[in-house]
Amino acid sequence: DAGVIQSPRHEVTEMGQEVTLRCKPISGHNSLFWYRQTMMRGLELLIYFNNNVPIDDSGMPEDRFSAKMPNASFSTLKIQPSEPRDSAVYFCASSLRTGGNEKLFFGSGTQLSVL
Amino acid sequence: QQQVKQSPQSLIVQKGGISIINCAYENTAFDYFPWYQQFPGKGPALLIAIRPDVSEKKEGRFTISFNKSAKQFSLHIMDSQPGDSATYFCAALTAGNKLTFGGGTRVLVKP
Repeated sequence: DAGVIQSPRHEVTEMGQEVTLRCKPISGHNSLFWYRQTMMRGLELLIYFNNNVPIDDSGMPEDRFSAKMPNASFSTLKIQPSEPRDSAVYFCASSLRTGGNEKLFFGSGTQLSVL
Repeated sequence: QQQVKQSPQSLIVQKGGISIINCAYENTAFDYFPWYQQFPGKGPALLIAIRPDVSEKKEGRFTISFNKSAKQFSLHIMDSQPGDSATYFCAALTAGNKLTFGGGTRVLVKP
């Protein structure tokens, strides 16, 4: 298995532009997570899905952020409009939920720079 | 509110030495405590994990010690190697299956 695949690896955009980050989870996994990593705030959970359904989006910073999971093999995180403070590494992770042993498999992340 | 507090933020250890990273939590609903290892440019990867009904778990050179009454747990890296240089995150899982991470510890092992 290729693991969790994220694209793009790097994204540089200007303030006000729309940004879409993409994730392909590991085949067979039923949970998907979006995390944001910054020096100041560490790893923050933004949203997670179980069986393609959003379960908890309390970590989504504001309405400019949205996430979708149209099927078991694809998810997107969209920022519209983007702002410089959104600059961070965004990770997608997936897991096979088996009663509490939550082993997350992370992708390599998308480095987002908003100028 | 930081639910899992991790220390130190960074540490330097000589090759062959012991690296010790500590974490503390407040939420007694946490019932699963994993440690993740992250190399530059990569996502975190699960290293070792423990449940609160066990006081210690060892896998190779990595050991988790867990003190339920003190609500603290730690990672010990024995015989530290330069290849262990990475950022380590403790984490805690609630019954709602939300994994909360500590702030991370950057470990540098000098040859």
